[in-house]
Order: sequence, then structure tokens, then C-alpha cells
Amino acid sequence: SQKIEQNSEALNIQEGKTATLTCNYTNYSPAYLQWYRQDPGRGPVFLLLIRENEKEKRKERLKVTFDTTLKQSLFHITASQPADSATYLCALDGTNAGKSTFGDGTTLTVKP
Amino acid sequence: DAGVIQSPRHEVTEMGQEVTLRCKPISGHDYLFWYRQTMMRGLELLIYFNNNVPIDDSGMPEDRFSAKMPNASFSTLKIQPSEPRDSAVYFCASSLSRGAGNTIYFGEGSWLTVV
Repeated sequence: SQKIEQNSEALNIQEGKTATLTCNYTNYSPAYLQWYRQDPGRGPVFLLLIRENEKEKRKERLKVTFDTTLKQSLFHITASQPADSATYLCALDGTNAGKSTFGDGTTLTVKP
Repeated sequence: DAGVIQSPRHEVTEMGQEVTLRCKPISGHDYLFWYRQTMMRGLELLIYFNNNVPIDDSGMPEDRFSAKMPNASFSTLKIQPSEPRDSAVYFCASSLSRGAGNTIYFGEGSWLTVV
């Protein structure tokens, strides 16, 4: 069956360091992979989208990689700040039909 | 744009009561999704619509759940009768299909507690 796995443990890092979050998937051939941020009590907010034919995408301090051979995406936040503390969700979409499947998320805490 | 608007934000109801959650998608978006989020199961897709037509309701847990989209600017998710295990955050979301990946815009959620 299709499965999406994100870092099983919460991630705690020191301010200024690079946070790296992992999204692994099995039995899935996504055309797109997206990353969302969710703050407590709020809905998820879109951050980045990467297509299956793209290796890397950047946006300010964020970088996403997509390796369809390894079936893995890595999400990096460089020069992390306490304000980056949140839960980060990856989502896979196999078609243009609009249906995305979400991972369980990784909770990141950046300590000052 | 005001974004996806959901109501109520919080609801506490007794087991057996009917619950109706409401959603107004972003104007012009042609996809509407209902998700449920719990600690145990994460974010689950319940049902989604395209141009007001239900496309996939395989995530709807059982017959107690129903969803409608009578027009492009309004959708409801109804639970009747409600049970304590339905307690969760229910998110409505919408997206615009442009063939370039579908960014999903979420509402702030309806926090449901069934006692």
C-alpha cells in the first residue's frame, strides 16, 4: 500500500543551524511533491512545490530536493530561527486531479 | 482574498447530535477538499469536489458522514449522529487546477469535540 514517512521524531536544533527534514514514500509515483508548514491551532500553509523532473527548488532560506530513485524528498531550512518552529508536512500528488496525500509531519523546534 | 472560510471554529456537542460544518472556498477555485486531522491518524482526506461534483469520497469514514457542495462558493460536511471518536479538527481547503501542481489553501479548521 502507499505510504509516506516523515522524520519519526521531533527535530530540535539550535538557532542558526540548518534543519533537514525527510519525506520518504513507497508504492507511489508522485508527479509533484509539496511542503507545508502548520502552526498550532492553524491550517497548513503551502511553502514549496517540486516536480518529478526537478532535482532541487529554492525559496529564500528554504531548499527542497526530490530524488525519485530514492523515493525521498529533503527539506532544508538554513540559518534557522525560533520563528521557524512549527510542524512541516510533505504532500504527494500523483496526477493533476488535485488529490494530495499528506505525511504525518515533523515538528521542528529551533532553540535560541 | 479572505482565504478559505470555515465555521464554526469550535464546536462542542453531545454524542448523537447532528453536526454541520461549513466552508466557503477561495473565489475561482474549482477544487474543494475536506480533511480531518487527529494525533493518531494525521491529516486524512475525506472527500473532494471538482466544479461542485464529488469526485472521491473514499475517505469518508462511514455513512454517518455526508458532504455537499450546492454551489461554487459553499460546502457542508455533516455528521449524523456524532460520536466521541469523531472529535478532531476538520479542515476545508480549495485549489485551482492549472496543470502545474495543485497548491492547496487551507482554512483555519473547525475544532469538533463530541462528548
